[in-house]
Amino acid sequence: QVQLQESGPGLVKPSQTLSLTCTVSGGSVSSGDYYWSWIRQHPGKGLEWIGYIYYSGSTYYNPSLKTRFTMSVDTSKNQFSLKLSSVTAADTAVYFCARMLSPYYFDYWGQGTLLTVSS
Amino acid sequence: EIVMTQSPATLSVSPGERATLSCRASQSVSSNLAWYQHKPGQAPRLLMNGASTRATGIPARFSGSGSGTEFTLTISSLQSEDFAVYYCQQYNDWPTFGQGTKVEIK
Repeated sequence: QVQLQESGPGLVKPSQTLSLTCTVSGGSVSSGDYYWSWIRQHPGKGLEWIGYIYYSGSTYYNPSLKTRFTMSVDTSKNQFSLKLSSVTAADTAVYFCARMLSPYYFDYWGQGTLLTVSS
Repeated sequence: EIVMTQSPATLSVSPGERATLSCRASQSVSSNLAWYQHKPGQAPRLLMNGASTRATGIPARFSGSGSGTEFTLTISSLQSEDFAVYYCQQYNDWPTFGQGTKVEIK
């Protein structure tokens, strides 16, 4: 059974850089069959896809989002990560990691981690 | 960006009754539509892809239909474990989600 687990700081101050990590078990981020995605949900709102990373390191980000996001993958740890620079209160959300199939839908998700941006 | 609109926002249903959830796309997405179930504190669960193909392990009481811009998720006889929020997502273009329909106990 594939499982994904997000980890992150929980609380960050405005203007800081956020780092989140997703640890995958029961599957491999090195598999060429999948893409590894981040999705977020602002309080009381719907889901917003942030982007994906492939095992090779290639990335694709949501064109409607400003380019403050950076994704990376660590195949040795079976993890992938998200960095978000210059965070503001508008980045407060639950962040999910998910495995994405081609075409682009998601068959396994993590439970999500709440990020709060506050001074 | 393809905008997905779900209705109703909240659906109150008694256990054993049928629930019908709607999802509309702002432009045609063909059959490139998925449905997810999300319960608080849990990982979202894939129910359907290709608009009408049940994901592995999804009970037959869940069915999906539609193509183009209009889609429906039907739960034929609601069980207690089905009360949750349901999201549609198109993948004809980069992924976008609906705002969700909360199915609550009447």
